Amino acid sequence: QKEVEQDPGPLSVPEGAIVSLNCTYSNSAFQYFMWYRQYSRKGPELLMYTYSSGNKEDGRFTAQVDKSSKYISLFIRDSQPSDSATYLCAMRGMDTGRRALTFGSGTRLQVQP
Amino acid sequence: GAVVSQHPSWVICKSGTSVKIECRSLDFQATTMFWYRQFPKQSLMLMATSNEGSKATYEQGVEKDKFLINHASLTLSTLTVTSAHPEDSSFYICSAEDRYSNQPQHFGDGTRLSIL
Repeated sequence: QKEVEQDPGPLSVPEGAIVSLNCTYSNSAFQYFMWYRQYSRKGPELLMYTYSSGNKEDGRFTAQVDKSSKYISLFIRDSQPSDSATYLCAMRGMDTGRRALTFGSGTRLQVQP
Repeated sequence: GAVVSQHPSWVICKSGTSVKIECRSLDFQATTMFWYRQFPKQSLMLMATSNEGSKATYEQGVEKDKFLINHASLTLSTLTVTSAHPEDSSFYICSAEDRYSNQPQHFGDGTRLSIL
């Protein structure tokens, strides 16, 4: 079983829809949670960064972390065709000696105009 | 926001040559840099972690003599693929962070390496 599970999709939605992307994880030591967006042949771009449980909102994006369920979500409101990309969740623990991120496999999102 | 520059973005070379990829942090001190490899439609696979001024720590299964990493300054790390062969063709991505802050890693735009 992978440490971080993410549905690979593809997920296809109409323009304007609310998109829900999710990851589950098994390592209770994870404390920092990130969502990255990756366009084809580009590096990942940081979208959201949260510490521990709770919600964080930035424009059309909302990140939620539920540590009790080991479940994180990214919501995209009013989705646009330009949101079409692969979305990667990533996380790490507090261990200052091991700062590498553990990634989900990525969800491909397609927003249809 | 923080910017990480990676160069070159695409390189094609003959089998047996060595290729150097640079990763620079433009507006922060990158005390730690990471090198990843990504195959089509797959997630990022960590190859190695380097702290400025120290030897890199390689993940299991990654040949350190094949993938040479140098992190001699707080703004530059290099990955050299030595004696590259077609199976080394891949998308290589670096990321950087200041480990004394709690800011997340920021990624370069990747290097597409094609070995003929």
